[in-house]
Amino acid sequence: GQQLNQSPQSMFIQEGEDVSMNCTSSSIFNTWLWYKQEPGEGPVLLIALYKAGELTSNGRLTAQFGITRKDSFLNISASIPSDVGIYFCASPRGGSNYKLTFGKGTLLTVNP
Amino acid sequence: NAGVMQNPRHLVRRRGQEARLRCSPMKGHSHVYWYRQLPEEGLKFMVYLQKENIIDESGMPKERFSAEFPKEGPSILRIQQVVRGDSAAYFCASSPRGVGGKNIQYFGAGTRLSVL
Repeated sequence: GQQLNQSPQSMFIQEGEDVSMNCTSSSIFNTWLWYKQEPGEGPVLLIALYKAGELTSNGRLTAQFGITRKDSFLNISASIPSDVGIYFCASPRGGSNYKLTFGKGTLLTVNP
Repeated sequence: NAGVMQNPRHLVRRRGQEARLRCSPMKGHSHVYWYRQLPEEGLKFMVYLQKENIIDESGMPKERFSAEFPKEGPSILRIQQVVRGDSAAYFCASSPRGVGGKNIQYFGAGTRLSVL
């Protein structure tokens, strides 16, 4: 169906390392969104992707919309302790542009 | 520059009581969405509202749950006769645009509901 599968489920890395996580689906999507959620807070939008093949950066974050339109990845370069949180991919589903489906998230822990 | 405001941040209810969750969208936003997040899960869409209208409630449980967004005041998500399975974080989001075009949703900090 229109589920989003995120991997890995969790990552433990050292400060300064680069991180890569991805999101896949068996369905085609027209939009990919990456959110970060910190403990006790709501999701914050990091990057929005609207075209197949699109590569977009936001500071140390880079995300790409896969050319098959069934996947996306998020990279974080030179991680720092405040990168800790849960990273979610999300996309509108069901023919709408507002009914967001979220993956289960990747929990990132950064050791100083 | 206030974002999406939700209150209360934490709500404890006993089984059978009612829970009322409030959401004030960002200034200038007239589209409101409610999502529910169970532990270790992603957010699940519940309902989309504009002022005085429910646009899409396809994610709302058929019973005990209702939502409104009156002409004046915040959007309210109401859960009647709560059960333990209702324990979750409930997030509200708002957007300046709705159906059609790019729909960027900004989320509040959520209300964590605990049912004893």
